[in-house]
Amino acid sequence: EIVLTQSPGTLSLSPGERAIFSCRASKFIRTSLAWYQQKPGQAPSLLIYDASKRAAGIPARFSGSGSGTDFTLTISNLEPEDFAIYYCQQRSNWPPSITFGQGTRLEIK
Amino acid sequence: EVQVVESGGGLVQPGRSLRLSCTASGFTFGDEVMSWFRQAPGKGLEWVGFIRGKAFGGTTEYAAPVKDRFTVSRDDSKSIAYLQMNSLTTEDTAVYYCAHGYSSSWNYFDYWGQGTLVTVSS
Repeated sequence: EIVLTQSPGTLSLSPGERAIFSCRASKFIRTSLAWYQQKPGQAPSLLIYDASKRAAGIPARFSGSGSGTDFTLTISNLEPEDFAIYYCQQRSNWPPSITFGQGTRLEIK
Repeated sequence: EVQVVESGGGLVQPGRSLRLSCTASGFTFGDEVMSWFRQAPGKGLEWVGFIRGKAFGGTTEYAAPVKDRFTVSRDDSKSIAYLQMNSLTTEDTAVYYCAHGYSSSWNYFDYWGQGTLVTVSS
C-alpha cells in the first residue's frame, strides 16, 4: 500500500501570505495525486487533480505541482476562507485502494 | 446541478448492522463510480469502498478494515448507492460520506454528500 505523508502538520499564516503544503508518496505515482480542502463540519472538496489541474470553479490562487513521489500545493495570497484542513489523495491499482495523507491544518496566525 | 445526499446514519449497538443510502442526481448514475469514505471524530479521511459503473459490471473494491463486513451496492433505477455495514464495532464510529468519481473513474472524487454520522455504542 502506498503511504502519503503530509507536512507540516500545521501551518500558521496570515491572510495575504503564501501557503505551501507538501505531500510525499512512499512509491512512484507519476502525477496521480489530488488535493482536497475540508472546512469544519463540511465534506471535502476537490481542489487539484492529476497533481496540477484545477478542478472546476477553483480559483487560480490554488496551484499544484510535482510528480513521482513529491508534490506541492500552493495557495498564493491567502483569503480568510482558505483556512481549513488540506488532504492529498492517491489511488493504487493493486491491490485496488485509495489513500489520503494525514492532512495539514492551515490556521490563522 | 449534481447532488449527493447520504442518509441512514444513527446510533447502533456493537455487533449490529446498519445500511446507509446515497441518493444522487444531476448525472447519469449508472455510468459512474460511487464511493464511500469515512472520518472518525477528529481524525482524517479514510476510504471505505466503491462500486464501478455498469460498463465495468458494477464490481466493488473495499478497504482492508471493512472487507468481508461491509458491502457496497447500487440501484441504478433509483440512482441510489448503498453501504451495508455488518458486525459493527466502536472503531466504525464516523461520519460516512458518499462521493462521485470524477470522469467516470475512481481516481478522484468531485462531488461529495454532506455526510451521515454513524455511532456504534452500547
